[in-house]
Amino acid sequence: DAGITQSPRHKVTETGTPVTLRCHQTENHRYMYWYRQDPGHGLRLIHYSYGVKDTDKGEVSDGYSVSRSKTEDFLLTLESATSSQTSVYFCAISEASGDTEQFFGPGTRLTVL
Amino acid sequence: KNEVEQSPQNLTAQEGEFITINCSYSVGISALHWLQQHPGGGIVSLFMLSSGKKKHGRLIATINIQEKHSSLHITASHPRDSAVYICAVTSSNFGNEKLTFGTGTRLTIIP
Repeated sequence: DAGITQSPRHKVTETGTPVTLRCHQTENHRYMYWYRQDPGHGLRLIHYSYGVKDTDKGEVSDGYSVSRSKTEDFLLTLESATSSQTSVYFCAISEASGDTEQFFGPGTRLTVL
Repeated sequence: KNEVEQSPQNLTAQEGEFITINCSYSVGISALHWLQQHPGGGIVSLFMLSSGKKKHGRLIATINIQEKHSSLHITASHPRDSAVYICAVTSSNFGNEKLTFGTGTRLTIIP
């Protein structure tokens, strides 16, 4: 299994509070991705990174920011959490761009009350 | 309209049956991925293919580029195959760095 972890695994927070999710990899892969998974929508890309300090938006990036200061860590921040951001968040990594295999982290279940 | 459509959405079958899950897409692609997600959440990559056919154990994935269609087959199905199977594509239309996902097929195998 690819070495990819997410923390925390579960979080309950209140509307308006900031939240940061962490994705950590030990594979030295260049690309890292944050997805959210919601019933009826499947997985949707929030942001991705193609190198240290190089990030770009996905299809559902509003309300989220990311940072990648080291190859192994990719942080997802909800500046002011809303109930619509209640979801399961998955991090993924890949060696190269989308036509290479992606490896997924175990997921973080976030509930915003 | 979703660029990646899967069918059926739900499938229940008896142990031992031959299973087929379908994926259709509407854009030119560089690769198609099949993923598996068991209850409890973990997502595992099963196949990545851009032409022809791949086989791994009891799982077979095929793709027809001209028809923009892929199938995932499971032979001699077993209750442990119960999971959500997800199709995803990469395409220059979306930026080749990114996957676009179908909504998944929930498979339940009854002993």
